[in-house]
Amino acid sequence: DQQVKQNSPSLSVQEGRISILNCDYTNSMFDYFLWYKKYPAEGPTFLISISSIKDKNEDGRFTVFLNKSAKHLSLHIVPSQPGDSAVYFCAASGLNAGNMLTFGGGTRLMVKP
Amino acid sequence: DTAVSQTPKYLVTQMGNDKSIKCEQNLGHDTMYWYKQDSKKFLKIMFSYNNKELIINETVPNRFSPKSPDKAHLNLHINSLELGDSAVYFCASSSRGGFNTQYFGPGTRLTVL
Repeated sequence: DQQVKQNSPSLSVQEGRISILNCDYTNSMFDYFLWYKKYPAEGPTFLISISSIKDKNEDGRFTVFLNKSAKHLSLHIVPSQPGDSAVYFCAASGLNAGNMLTFGGGTRLMVKP
Repeated sequence: DTAVSQTPKYLVTQMGNDKSIKCEQNLGHDTMYWYKQDSKKFLKIMFSYNNKELIINETVPNRFSPKSPDKAHLNLHINSLELGDSAVYFCASSSRGGFNTQYFGPGTRLTVL
């Protein structure tokens, strides 16, 4: 039973447009959410995070929105650039033992020039 | 000045062998982790370790064991390798204080023949 789900395995966007990546979770004990970006043959790179006391966090072109009642978060990238093409993983942690991260299955973003 | 490093990057071995993957972090973090990315690209936590406790994901076979010679290192030992152990293994680290942002190594691709 996946506690963190990314229902879109892939997303294609034109350069300059907005990319919206979605993530749903089921465990109400999660209180911290993160987005990681991953290029082939590299480790995941931390991108942006949000705690459950907020509903929005912005860092440059990247904004994460959290809707706790819907148990949903999204990552907005605007404007999208070809270098943003990668696999994006949503992750969550909470009061579970060890603060271990639970990852979604990833969404492959392709930004076309 | 790599933050989290792993060696080797690729490991090819025969079934039944025992192997180790090394991980080092120079971030001054006090908690380290091992993740497995399977053929379906899901990232799953295997272990969380700081100097006080080891937390093991219950799905991890006891052929896998983490060993920490000091706070900056967490090595992964695997005994009696099986075909199903073939995967990419990622090490990560975080600081216990504050929110749990984890930083990942580049991964080790293990292939069991």
